[in-house]
Amino acid sequence: AQSVTQPDIHITVSEGASLELRCNYSYGATPYLFWYVQSPGQGLQLLLKYFSGDTLVQGIKGFEAEFKRSQSSFNLRKPSVHWSDAAEYFCAVGDTGFQKLVFGTGTRLLVSP
Amino acid sequence: NAGVTQTPKFQVLKTGQSMTLQCAQDMNHEYMSWYRQDPGMGLRLIHYSVGAGITDQGEVPNGYNVSRSTTEDFPLRLLSAAPSQTSVYFCASSSQQGGTEAFFGQGTRLTVV
Repeated sequence: AQSVTQPDIHITVSEGASLELRCNYSYGATPYLFWYVQSPGQGLQLLLKYFSGDTLVQGIKGFEAEFKRSQSSFNLRKPSVHWSDAAEYFCAVGDTGFQKLVFGTGTRLLVSP
Repeated sequence: NAGVTQTPKFQVLKTGQSMTLQCAQDMNHEYMSWYRQDPGMGLRLIHYSVGAGITDQGEVPNGYNVSRSTTEDFPLRLLSAAPSQTSVYFCASSSQQGGTEAFFGQGTRLTVV
C-alpha cells in the first residue's frame, strides 16, 4: 500500500534562513509526487509536482524539490524563507489516475522574525 | 473560471441528522474526489469518481454516500451524522490527462454535536 511519511510535525525557521521539509514515500512503481501548501482556513495549493524526467523540480513561490529514488524521498527546499511562507505543507503520492492521493500528516512551518 | 466550489463553508449538525455537502467544478475534469482532514492525520480519501455514473470507495468511506450524475457535480451525503464525522471536508478534481494535478475546493468545516 502507498504511504507517505513527513517526520517533522512542525518546524521553526528564521526569516531569511533556508528550509528543507522532509518527505519519504512507499510506492510499488514510479510515483507521482506532489507538495501542497495550506494557509490557515484555506484549501490546498499545489507548490510543485514530479511525474518523470529531471529529478529536481521547480515550483511556485521559490520552492524546489528533489526526487531521490534510492532514498524514496521527495524533500522540499527553499533557499530563503519569507514570513508569508508560514503555513502547513503536505507531501502526497498519487497513482496514474491522480484521483487517489495519499497524503502525509503535514508539517507546520513557523517563521520567526 | 471558478475551479472547484464547495458549499456550505461551515455547518453544524446534530447527531443523527443527515446532510449533503455540495461540490461543483467547471474545468470539465473527469476525476473528482472527497477527502477529510483531521488534525495530525493529513487528508484521507473518502470516495472518488472517475466519471459520470462511476464511483468507488476510498480509505474511509463508512457513513458517507456519493453519486455522480453529471461531470460537474459530486455531492457527499452524510446519512446519519456522528461526532466522529466532525472534520474539514475537501473536494478535488483532476483531469485524466497525464501531467495534471488535483485542484481543491476551499473546504467545508463540519461540526457534529
